[in-house]
Amino acid sequence: DIQMTQSPSSVSASVGDRVTITCRASQGISSWLAWYQQKPGKAPKLLIYAASSLQSGVPSRFSGSGSGTDFTLTISSLQPEDFATYYCQQANSFPLVTFGPGTKVDIK
Amino acid sequence: QLQLQESGPGLVKPSETLSLTCTVSGGSISSSSYYWGWIRQPPGKGLEWIGSIYYSGSTYYNPSLKSRVTISVDTSKNQFSLKLSSVTAADTAVYYCARDHTVTNFDYWGQGTLVTVSS
Repeated sequence: DIQMTQSPSSVSASVGDRVTITCRASQGISSWLAWYQQKPGKAPKLLIYAASSLQSGVPSRFSGSGSGTDFTLTISSLQPEDFATYYCQQANSFPLVTFGPGTKVDIK
Repeated sequence: QLQLQESGPGLVKPSETLSLTCTVSGGSISSSSYYWGWIRQPPGKGLEWIGSIYYSGSTYYNPSLKSRVTISVDTSKNQFSLKLSSVTAADTAVYYCARDHTVTNFDYWGQGTLVTVSS
């Protein structure tokens, strides 16, 4: 099975900061990676698919990059509504989908 | 706007079968472009994909749950359903239904429903 890890597990940041979250797969997954944002008590929201494609309606301050085993989600200028937990998800080992453990972004 | 809504009992006894239904509105479950999936999240923990189904009835399941899971579809009602048998406390979670791009990513989600396994 492909294992997903994320770092850091949590990050404290201020409005306006640039935030980068890393996701690593235990084996190569090409670009079969998605990123989600989840706020407390809410369903996850798709931000990025295919490693770097921005989902419709998602602000351009979110970007994704990477391929193979190492991926990043970057928030270029953190906004108040961006404080949430972020999950990566791999889909290379069709049909088994696995999620990373999550990275919590909170207010410094 | 596509909407998904989970429904079903919020409390299930240990060893019994958990049954949930997801009703899709604002679009057809018979769309050839999408699968329909179930994902769960234990309280305070991460996300776990349970399985996905195509409108034709073709299914894919998480191997760790496969022996206990059945996902079915009712295109006439624009619904799909989850059954998880022999539940234990470890199955306590918020269960989400979602639209699935061929088991690659999930772009529309229901609000989630908490199912507690307890006697």
